[in-house]
Amino acid sequence: KAGVTQTPRYLIKTRGQQVTLSCSPISGHRSVSWYQQTPGQGLQFLFEYFSETQRNKGNFPGRFSGRQFSNSRSEMNVSTLELGDSALYLCASSFVPAGEKLFFGSGTQLSVL
Amino acid sequence: KNQVEQSPQSLIILEGKNCTLQCNYTVSPFSNLRWYKQDTGRGPVSLTIMTFSENTKSNGRYTATLDADTKQSSLHITASQLSDSASYICVVTITTSGTYKYIFGTGTRLKVLA
Repeated sequence: KAGVTQTPRYLIKTRGQQVTLSCSPISGHRSVSWYQQTPGQGLQFLFEYFSETQRNKGNFPGRFSGRQFSNSRSEMNVSTLELGDSALYLCASSFVPAGEKLFFGSGTQLSVL
Repeated sequence: KNQVEQSPQSLIILEGKNCTLQCNYTVSPFSNLRWYKQDTGRGPVSLTIMTFSENTKSNGRYTATLDADTKQSSLHITASQLSDSASYICVVTITTSGTYKYIFGTGTRLKVLA
């Protein structure tokens, strides 16, 4: 059974650009959540999608958005990148929102120059 | 303010020794508490999840405890192995009016030496 797949693994962008990250959940999982991880702030919750609907949202500016497709795959978009957006972006999947067990991908390491 | 604090920030132990990591939280209303292990360059892996009514849960050499009265949790690692070198993250979920929120600790970085 394949795990959670995130692409790309590494990404380098410059300030002002936008970026789209992709997450394919474990087969059968319908909930996908996204997190930002930085050395200073640790893990922070971005948002969670279930059945193509955003079910929960963290405290991030509107530049961070996401969506989920009918096959449960999810994308996260960050517009007008800032230096502070440099981080490891993780997604996790579960059967239901706030599921007992979250399965994380290996993340996308984003560097903003 | 909802907070999750972990201690120590980092820890170095010798292979075969036991260790205990701490997680103190000041969140309300509490729903559950999870412990994750995160290897460098990888996503976190779930170790345990405990609800209000549970006070101990084991996963192999990992044993988590929860004291809901003092709002403290600990993760005990028995007979440590080199592969236990990782960051350990405590996460508390709060649920209000059908919505939930995750409060993350900043983690404890464990290094196991041969």
